Amino acid sequence: ETAVFQTPNYHVTQVGNEVSFNCKQTLGHDTMYWYKQDSKKLLKIMFSYNNKQLIVNETVPRRFSPQSSDKAHLNLRIKSVEPEDSAVYLCASSLTASNSDYTFGSGTRLLVI
Amino acid sequence: QQKVQQSPESLIVPEGGMASLNCTSSDRNVDYFWWYRQHSGKSPKMLMSIFSNGEKEEGRFTVHLNKASLHTSLHIRDSQPSDSALYLCAASRAGYQNFYFGKGTSLTVIP
Repeated sequence: ETAVFQTPNYHVTQVGNEVSFNCKQTLGHDTMYWYKQDSKKLLKIMFSYNNKQLIVNETVPRRFSPQSSDKAHLNLRIKSVEPEDSAVYLCASSLTASNSDYTFGSGTRLLVI
Repeated sequence: QQKVQQSPESLIVPEGGMASLNCTSSDRNVDYFWWYRQHSGKSPKMLMSIFSNGEKEEGRFTVHLNKASLHTSLHIRDSQPSDSALYLCAASRAGYQNFYFGKGTSLTVIP
C-alpha cells in the first residue's frame, strides 16, 4: 500500500513536555510537508522538505523543528509544548517541489493539558 | 493576512440540489488553484485542480477559474449526503510548492 503514514493518531501531554510525531510516505514523492490544522479547521503550513533540504520554513515558534533522515521520512518535534499547540498536525507529500497536488496523512491530534 | 478567502462559510443544500462554493485569492502572484474535500475526522483529499481560465468538469463536479479576478468556484450538481464535508480551496504560485489554504466551506447535504 502506498500512502502517507502518520503516528501516533492521538497524543495527550502536559505543558512543557517534548513530543515527536512521525511521518513516512511510500509514494516515491520528492517533497514532504507539515501543516497545522486548528480548531477552526484552518490549515497553515509549518515546514516543507525537498530531498532533505528545507525549502520553506514559515514563521513558527522555535520550539517546533522538523527532522528528516531521507526523502521518505519527515518527523516533527515540539520542545516544551504550549496549550496553543493543541491541534491536528497533518503530514503531506507531493511528487515534485512545484505545482503538484498533495497527499495527506491521516493526521496526529495533539491535546496539551 | 489570509491569502485565500472562501464563501460561504457554511452551506446547506437538499439532496439532489446544486451546491456552489467560492474562493478568491488576494495574492496577485497566485497561478494555480486546488479544491480539497475533508470529511469529518479524515484528512483532506484532492478533488480537482484548475490552472487555466475556463471550466473543468469531472462527473458531478465542475470548477471555474477567472484568473483576472483570481476567483474560482466549485459546483456540485445532484448533491448527495456523502458530499457533506469541509471543502478547502488552496492556491499556489508557479514554481512554488507552498499552498495557501482558505478556511473552508462546510457543506451539509440534507436527505
